[in-house]
Amino acid sequence: DAKTTQPTSMDCAEGRAANLPCNHSTISGNEYVYWYRQIHSQGPQYIIHGLKNNETNEMASLIITEDRKSSTLILPHATLRDTAVYYCIVRLYNFNKFYFGSGTKLNVKP
Amino acid sequence: DGGITQSPKYLFRKEGQNVTLSCEQNLNHDAMYWYRQDPGQGLRLIYYSQIVNDFQKGDIAEGYSVSREKKESFPLTVTSAQKNPTAFYLCASKEQGSGNTIYFGEGSWLTVV
Repeated sequence: DAKTTQPTSMDCAEGRAANLPCNHSTISGNEYVYWYRQIHSQGPQYIIHGLKNNETNEMASLIITEDRKSSTLILPHATLRDTAVYYCIVRLYNFNKFYFGSGTKLNVKP
Repeated sequence: DGGITQSPKYLFRKEGQNVTLSCEQNLNHDAMYWYRQDPGQGLRLIYYSQIVNDFQKGDIAEGYSVSREKKESFPLTVTSAQKNPTAFYLCASKEQGSGNTIYFGEGSWLTVV
C-alpha cells in the first residue's frame, strides 16, 4: 500500500471549514483513498472514500488532485464534536489490508 | 442492532498470564482484523482473517495468537511472550470486495499490572 503523509495537528475555528491535507505521491492507479476519524478511546469511524473523482456525503467532501498524488478532506462547518484524529489511508483494489498512520489531530476551537 | 462487539472494555492482566479478547460481529462480514494502538500513536495491524479457518500475520504478530472457527468471531489471545502488552486493542470487520469500508468495534483496554 502507498504511504501517506499528513500534518501532525491542525486548528480550526468552530463554524469554519476544516481542510485536512494528505500526501500520497506513490499511489497506484487502482488504490482508493479512505478517510477515517477517531475520537479519543473509541474505534475509528469511516468518513468517506474515493478513487479518482471528488466525493461528497453528509459528513464531508473529498477532493483528489488530478494526478491523485494528494487529497483534501473538507469538513464544511466544523463543530467542537469534530475534534478528533483524522486518518488518510490508501488501499489496493480488492486488497483487505488497511494501514493506519499517525493521522492529523484536528482541534476545533470555539 | 448490527455491529461489532468487543469485550471486555477494560482488562487487567498479571505479568506472565495469557489473556483473550473477544470480538463478535453480526454484520455477516467475511474479513476481520485486530489492531493495536499505543497512546498518541496510530493503529498497527496484528492479525487479519479473510475467511473462516484462515488468518494472516500483520506487522506486529509476535506474542499474539488468533483463531477463526466461526465467521462472526475472531478472538485475540495476548500471550506471555508479548513483552509490552499494555495498549488499546481494536477489532474490525469488512465485506469482501473492492472499495468496501472497514468498521471498528469500540476497543478494549489491556493493562498489565
